[in-house]
Amino acid sequence: IAGITQAPTSQILAAGRRMTLRCTQDMRHNAMYWYRQDLGLGLRLIHYSNTAGTTGKGEVPDGYSVSRANTDDFPLTLASAVPSQTSVYFCASKDRHGNTEAFFGQGTRLTVV
Amino acid sequence: TQLLEQSPQFLSIQEGENLTVYCNSSSVFSSLQWYRQEPGEGPVLLVTVVTGGEVKKLKRLTFQFGDARKDSSLHITAAQPGDTGLYLCAGALVGSQGNLIFGKGTKLSVKP
Repeated sequence: IAGITQAPTSQILAAGRRMTLRCTQDMRHNAMYWYRQDLGLGLRLIHYSNTAGTTGKGEVPDGYSVSRANTDDFPLTLASAVPSQTSVYFCASKDRHGNTEAFFGQGTRLTVV
Repeated sequence: TQLLEQSPQFLSIQEGENLTVYCNSSSVFSSLQWYRQEPGEGPVLLVTVVTGGEVKKLKRLTFQFGDARKDSSLHITAAQPGDTGLYLCAGALVGSQGNLIFGKGTKLSVKP
């Protein structure tokens, strides 16, 4: 079934540890995104990639890094986790051109303690 | 600064009532989208509006894009418990790379 897959679904992480959230899509979308969703703050864009090999910073990029080695995968790395990075993380993809639908993964619930 | 102001933030109504959710901005958007999110899941697209003044209907849901493409509304007629969820507006700014900016969402609860 075509779609977008995130892993893990949830994680408890000690502060200071490194963590990579995985995201894979099989729809051949050129654009991919990472958002975090926090109560009262909505969905905020962390990083994006408009095509394989390129990435850009969103609204809240500090403490996060991404890479886009190929079309399908867009991992998000927290180099040294802090409690303020406790959130639900959503990966999304869409066709970059036109006003097209963004498809979202099921989310990763991350708790940094 | 919130580019897309969504209101109300919470809405609790009885089955059969009508409601309207608003999404406002001082910026012009090339398009606005409305998503619905269920607990534990990612948002799912309901509709995309592109032309100023455009009205789209999806069963009991009516979506409107403002003439100046700075605002949008979602009206639900005769709400049902199955309409319960988080409704999000999202838009791509004119001249942007197409990145979607989201409002904070409206959490709707429809009681039987």
